[in-house]
Amino acid sequence: AQTVTQSQPEMSVQEAETVTLSCTYDTSESNYYLFWYKQPPSRQMILVIRQEAYKQQNATENRFSVNFQKAAKSFSLKISDSQLGDTAMYFCAFKDSNYQLIWGAGTKLIIKP
Amino acid sequence: GAGVSQTPSNKVTEKGKYVELRCDPISGHTALYWYRQSLGQGPEFLIYFQGTGAADDSGLPNDRFFAVRPEGSVSTLKIQRTERGDSAVYLCASSLTPLTSGTPNTGELFFGEGSRLTVL
Repeated sequence: AQTVTQSQPEMSVQEAETVTLSCTYDTSESNYYLFWYKQPPSRQMILVIRQEAYKQQNATENRFSVNFQKAAKSFSLKISDSQLGDTAMYFCAFKDSNYQLIWGAGTKLIIKP
Repeated sequence: GAGVSQTPSNKVTEKGKYVELRCDPISGHTALYWYRQSLGQGPEFLIYFQGTGAADDSGLPNDRFFAVRPEGSVSTLKIQRTERGDSAVYLCASSLTPLTSGTPNTGELFFGEGSRLTVL
């Protein structure tokens, strides 16, 4: 069965610093998708970034980028120039040919002023 | 509406009572998902609708849980004889197409703000 592991329950950095959130997953599939979602206190899950496994190039979205290491089954999220509004829970999620998303337990990120 | 709407935002009930949670997806989204999120955990899949039919209800924990989507838009999650262990945030999400490989919107789930259920 597929699993997603986020080993950092909580992280805290100063505003404007760069922070990296880690995620590892386990699958025997070769074609799949990986996602990072943000959940602020409002509870609404918001898609931050998406990576297709068949693409070698790491996805980027403005200040957000990923380091996708397929062989190591690692999918970390880097947030550059962190802002107070980045404070939230961050969830890593996996999807293969099925339609279900498999979620990690989340990392609580706190950006300090 | 502009986004996925869930009501009520918060619901407090007593053990043994019946509860309904409503989800109004983005207009035109054919796929609808219910998830349950316990404190400190990621979402847990409950049920997936494609149109009016439940394509997969394998995540429903037991027969006290039931969900409907009679007209292919609004969905209601129904919980009978609530138990304290049912306390959680119930998230609804919709997507333009199902999350199957090859669709251009793969992975683009749009979530509501959830309904927090507290069973006393």
